[in-house]
Amino acid sequence: SQTIHQWPATLVQPVGSPLSLECTVEGTSNPNLYWYRQAAGRGLQLLFYSVGIGQISSEVPQNLSASRPQDRQFILSSKKLLLSDSGFYLCAWSENPGNTIYFGEGSWLTVV
Amino acid sequence: GEDVEQSLFLSVREGDSSVINCTYTDSSSTYLYWYKQEPGAGLQLLTYIFSNMDMKQDQRLTVLLNKKDKHLSLRIADTQTGDSAIYFCADTDKLIFGTGTRLQVFP
Repeated sequence: SQTIHQWPATLVQPVGSPLSLECTVEGTSNPNLYWYRQAAGRGLQLLFYSVGIGQISSEVPQNLSASRPQDRQFILSSKKLLLSDSGFYLCAWSENPGNTIYFGEGSWLTVV
Repeated sequence: GEDVEQSLFLSVREGDSSVINCTYTDSSSTYLYWYKQEPGAGLQLLTYIFSNMDMKQDQRLTVLLNKKDKHLSLRIADTQTGDSAIYFCADTDKLIFGTGTRLQVFP
């Protein structure tokens, strides 16, 4: 069966520091991969999605970037965090666009 | 652009039915989904409905789809305290999720 893991689960970082959140999917190949952000009291905002290695689409201009160095690995990064980057970040995958999206357990980021 | 909207809060008494509503703008989506998010956790798939269906029942869950009005609803029968969570409707064709409805169940 397929599983998705993301880490770290919780992160407290100072303003201006770098960020790296990692996500891996097991049990499938060539998944579509996604990073969503959920700000406090708000819905999910799609940040990035990827249909293959090295293929990244950005949905919103921001201080963050994403990379897909391997088929089942998706990384969310920032060179310098802002206070507004605080939130709950969710990695997710699907077999194809329009199919069920499966989520990781999420990573809480607090920028102080 | 495409959008999915939900009311933010719903409070029900244990044992009553809960109805969570969702409206969407793009009628071309193939499937529409409901997800559940418990505190501090990721989203879990609850159920989904194919766009050519009007209703789908899965144990205590009933999904109703009105394509004419672009309205989707999730009914939870005999709501329990364990159902307290945030519920999201989603159009995965467009990778869009609603704002989420926080369901609070009180004894």
